[in-house]
Amino acid sequence: GEDVEQSLFLSVREGDSSVINCTYTDSSSTYLYWYKQEPGAGLQLLTYIFSNMDMKQDQRLTVLLNKKDKHLSLRIADTQTGDSAIYFCAEIGDTGRRALTFGSGTRLQVQP
Amino acid sequence: NAGVTQTPKFRVLKTGQSMTLLCAQDMNHEYMYWYRQDPGMGLRLIHYSVGEGTTAKGEVPDGYNVSRLKKQNFLLGLESAAPSQTSVYFCASSRPIGQVNQPQHFGDGTRLSIL
Repeated sequence: GEDVEQSLFLSVREGDSSVINCTYTDSSSTYLYWYKQEPGAGLQLLTYIFSNMDMKQDQRLTVLLNKKDKHLSLRIADTQTGDSAIYFCAEIGDTGRRALTFGSGTRLQVQP
Repeated sequence: NAGVTQTPKFRVLKTGQSMTLLCAQDMNHEYMYWYRQDPGMGLRLIHYSVGEGTTAKGEVPDGYNVSRLKKQNFLLGLESAAPSQTSVYFCASSRPIGQVNQPQHFGDGTRLSIL
């Protein structure tokens, strides 16, 4: 079945850039998403990228997609303490499955 | 701006008890989903529905049942709760996948403890 993997933890200093990485196995992935989860809250959609794109930028967020290597990354510029959260990578393909496959999440800790 | 609303937010059950988790969405979305979130395991799909009156099994359906009698509501039932079902449960909804990008919108979760 489809699989999505992420590193578990990332620590950065406030003002630095953060890069969260994700790999996936589904070669038919059409959309890839990044969600943010703050403590005690649900998942908030941050951004997404369609599989025919290499890069998408949205304010402080940059998503890079390497479809050949099935590698997705999320770069947060000028990371703030408010960015501390768990970040989930998710994908959906065109195999007829109707729901997202999530990674296990990367906990981002931003130190002042 | 209610979006996806889950009730209750917290619940403690004894082994063997039953309960129903309610999810309601006001976005007229066709698709609805139930996930469970366990530490270090991300979100796993329990059941989903692609329309009123239809349901389908996800990745971890055992021990759960669902119903979608109304388009805006998706109910998750535990007939006989087990400690292994201690988890945080999330409901989500979306428009049909595949037409254009249609991300899933999530509720704030239900924290369920089974003693």
